[in-house]
Amino acid sequence: EAQVTQNPRYLITVTGKKLTVTCSQNMNHEYMSWYRQDPGLGLRQIYYSMNVEVTDKGDVPEGYKVSRKEKRNFPLILESPSPNQTSLYFCASSSRLQYRFSNQPQHFGDGTRLSIL
Amino acid sequence: TQLLEQSPQFLSIQEGENLTVYCNSSSVFSSLQWYRQEPGEGPVLLVTVVTGGEVKKLKRLTFQFGDARKDSSLHITAAQPGDTGLYLCAGGQGNTGKLIFGQGTTLQVKP
Repeated sequence: EAQVTQNPRYLITVTGKKLTVTCSQNMNHEYMSWYRQDPGLGLRQIYYSMNVEVTDKGDVPEGYKVSRKEKRNFPLILESPSPNQTSLYFCASSSRLQYRFSNQPQHFGDGTRLSIL
Repeated sequence: TQLLEQSPQFLSIQEGENLTVYCNSSSVFSSLQWYRQEPGEGPVLLVTVVTGGEVKKLKRLTFQFGDARKDSSLHITAAQPGDTGLYLCAGGQGNTGKLIFGQGTTLQVKP
């Protein structure tokens, strides 16, 4: 089954304790992206990756890092989490053709709810 | 920073009514996508429109992309309780990989 898998689904942690949210897709997609969703703000793009070893900033990259060492994985790293990073996070993937010609969907994971105390 | 203004933010209607959700921007987008999201799940794509003036229909849902590719609308005919959810528009920019989302419209259809 084609899917985007995020882990963990829920995490409560404390300020300053480094954490990583993993994202894995089994569709051999070139493009992957991270979003955060906050009430009244919709989804905001954090980082995206067009292919292995190619990453770029979205609209709200501050406080986050990403890496793309393998095609299937795109982890989101919070080196020193702060309470304003409490949010619902989504990972998404698309094939090269999908994002270029915009006629097919991004596939979203089911989300990771992070609470930073 | 490009923005997509989505309206209304909340909509509560009775089953059988019609409704329209709007997505507006001062920027031009190469494509416009509409998603629906259920609680506890990620967004699911409903449709993508790429040509100015394009109209697409998905059963009782009609999507339109503005002629100038700056705005879009979603019209639902004879809404049903199963249409309840969060509707999101998102504007794409060619090969950049960037996707800008609107704030979302929470729709509640009462039986």
